[in-house]
Amino acid sequence: DAKTTQPPSMDCAEGRAANLPCNHSTISGNEYVYWYRQIHSQGPQYIIHGLKNNETNEMASLIITEDRKSSTLILPHATLRDTAVYYCIVRVASNAGNMLTFGGGTRLMVKP
Amino acid sequence: KAGVTQTPRYLIKTRGQQVTLSCSPISGHRSVSWYQQTPGQGLQFLFEYFSETQRNKGNFPGRFSGRQFSNSRSEMNVSTLELGDSALYLCASSFAGGAAYNEQFFGPGTRLTVL
Repeated sequence: DAKTTQPPSMDCAEGRAANLPCNHSTISGNEYVYWYRQIHSQGPQYIIHGLKNNETNEMASLIITEDRKSSTLILPHATLRDTAVYYCIVRVASNAGNMLTFGGGTRLMVKP
Repeated sequence: KAGVTQTPRYLIKTRGQQVTLSCSPISGHRSVSWYQQTPGQGLQFLFEYFSETQRNKGNFPGRFSGRQFSNSRSEMNVSTLELGDSALYLCASSFAGGAAYNEQFFGPGTRLTVL
C-alpha cells in the first residue's frame, strides 16, 4: 500500500472549516484513499473514502487532486467534538483482506 | 444495531502470563481484524479473520495468535506476556471481504497492562 504523509498537528477554530491535507505521491491507479479518525480513548471511526472523484457525506468532504498524489479532508463546520487524530490511509481494493496501515495521522485540535 | 463489543475492557497481567481477549462483531459481519495501539508504535495490524480462516497477518511474533468461531466472534491470545505487550488492543469488523468501500467498525478496545 502507498505511503502517506500528514502534518502531525493542526488547530482549527470552532465553527470554521478544518482542511486536513494528505500527501500520497506514490499512489497507484487501483488504490483508494480512506480517512478515519480516532477520538481520545475510542476506537477509530470511518469518515469517508474515494478513488478519484471528490466525495461528500454527512461528516465530511474529500477532495482528491487530479493527479491523485494528494487529498484534503474537509470538515465544513468544525466542532469541539471533532478534536481527534485523523488518519489518511491508501490501500488497494482487493479481495485479499481488510488490513489497514495507519501512519501517524494529524492531531486536530478544535478550539473555542 | 449493536456495535462491536470487546471484553474485557481493562486487564492487568504479569510478565510470563497469557491472556485471551474477545471480540463480538456487528451482527452479519464476517471479517474481524485485530490491531495493537501503543504510544511508540501507533496502530499496528495484528491479523484478520474471515469465515473462520486467518486471511492476513501482521509482523508480530508467534506469541500472538487468534481464532474466529462460526458465529464470527473472535478471540486473540497472547502467551508469555512481556512488558512491551502493554497496549490498547482494538478489534474491527466489516461486512464482507476486501471490497474497496468496506467500512470497518472498531470496538472500544481492551487496555492490557503487563506488570
